[in-house]
Order: sequence, then C-alpha cells, then structure tokens
Amino acid sequence: AQRVTQPEKLLSVFKGAPVELKCNYSYSGSPELFWYVQYSRQRLQLLLRHISRESIKGFTADLNKGETSFHLKKPFAQEEDSAMYYCALTSLYNTDKLIFGTGTRLQVFP
Amino acid sequence: NAGVTQTPKFQVLKTGQSMTLQCAQDMNHNSMYWYRQDPGMGLRLIYYSASEGTTDKGEVPNGYNVSRLNKREFSLRLESAAPSQTSVYFCASEGLADNEQFFGPGTRLTVL
Repeated sequence: AQRVTQPEKLLSVFKGAPVELKCNYSYSGSPELFWYVQYSRQRLQLLLRHISRESIKGFTADLNKGETSFHLKKPFAQEEDSAMYYCALTSLYNTDKLIFGTGTRLQVFP
Repeated sequence: NAGVTQTPKFQVLKTGQSMTLQCAQDMNHNSMYWYRQDPGMGLRLIYYSASEGTTDKGEVPNGYNVSRLNKREFSLRLESAAPSQTSVYFCASEGLADNEQFFGPGTRLTVL
C-alpha cells in the first residue's frame, strides 16, 4: 500500500535547537518526495523536494531508500519556522496523485 | 497572476443544505484537485481532474460531486451537507512540467 507516515503530531523546540521532522513512506514504484508547509493564515506551499537537493530556509531533507525515509532537518530552529509541515509523495516517472502524511505541527519557542 | 482562488472563504450550513465551492486557476494547469483538511488526518483527496473533461474519485469522495467546467475552473458540490463534512477544503492545481501542486487559500465550512 502507498502510504506516508509522520509519527509526530506536534514537535516543540526552543529557538536555536536542532529540528528533525520524521517522514517514512511505503511505495511500490520510484517515489518523488516533497515537504509542504503551511504557515499560520497562509496557504499550503511547497518547501522542498528530494530531486532538487536544495536547502530552503535552512531546511534539508535526504531521501533514504534503504530506510524509506525523508526526514526534514534544520540545525537551528527559528520562531518563524513554526508551522504545519506535511510530507508527501508521488510517482517520479508517471503522472500520479500526491499522497500526504497526517502532518506535524512545529512549535518553536523563544 | 492570482494563482489558485477559492470562494467562499467561510460558510456555515445547516444539515441537509447544499452548496458549491468554487475554484479557479490562471496558470494554465491541466490537473486540479480538491482536498479536505481535518485535525489529525492531514490532507485527504476528495476528487481530482487530470484534464478538462475528466474527473476521478480520490480517497474520500462520498457525499461530494465535482465539475470540471473548463480548464480554469473545478467546482465541488455538497448535495446534502452533513456535520461530518465540517472541514477546511483546499483546491490545488498542477502543471504538466513537474509534480508541484499550487494550493488555494482554503474554504472553512461548518455544517450544523
């Protein structure tokens, strides 16, 4: 079954602490993985995708096919990182629907 | 460009009432989607349209209908609203070039 699992509903850290939002997936083909973010009172938007291998707003995520994971990391959290984060996947080579995880709310305290 | 727009932003219905949520995009995207967002459930796909003239069921289609009116517009209809349909509804669109979806601002619907 195709599935995205985000085990943490809420992650709370203090400003300057490292952050890791976990994402595991189950997919039969070649997946493309994404992180979407929703800041308070804003629309959902793409944060980063594994094929671009970019660092966006200090966040990085590496696709680990052996562990079927795509964890989102940032070495030093900022208050403005507080948001809802969704991991999502689709097929890398074929047109297919996005499958979303249940989301993790990140709270960064001052 | 406005991107993806949705109307209305907020709506309160009584059980059994009907309504249509409107979505439009000006990015010339082929694919459009309707999701609902519920606490602890993430985003669940209701219906999608891979191209003008086609629609398909997603994960949670019961109680909803859709119309892909033209390439720009994709509406979601609740024929007889139920309290279980209280949610935030998001429309999204996606071009052929890559798999990035662009989302609308959402419609917060309450069914009493």
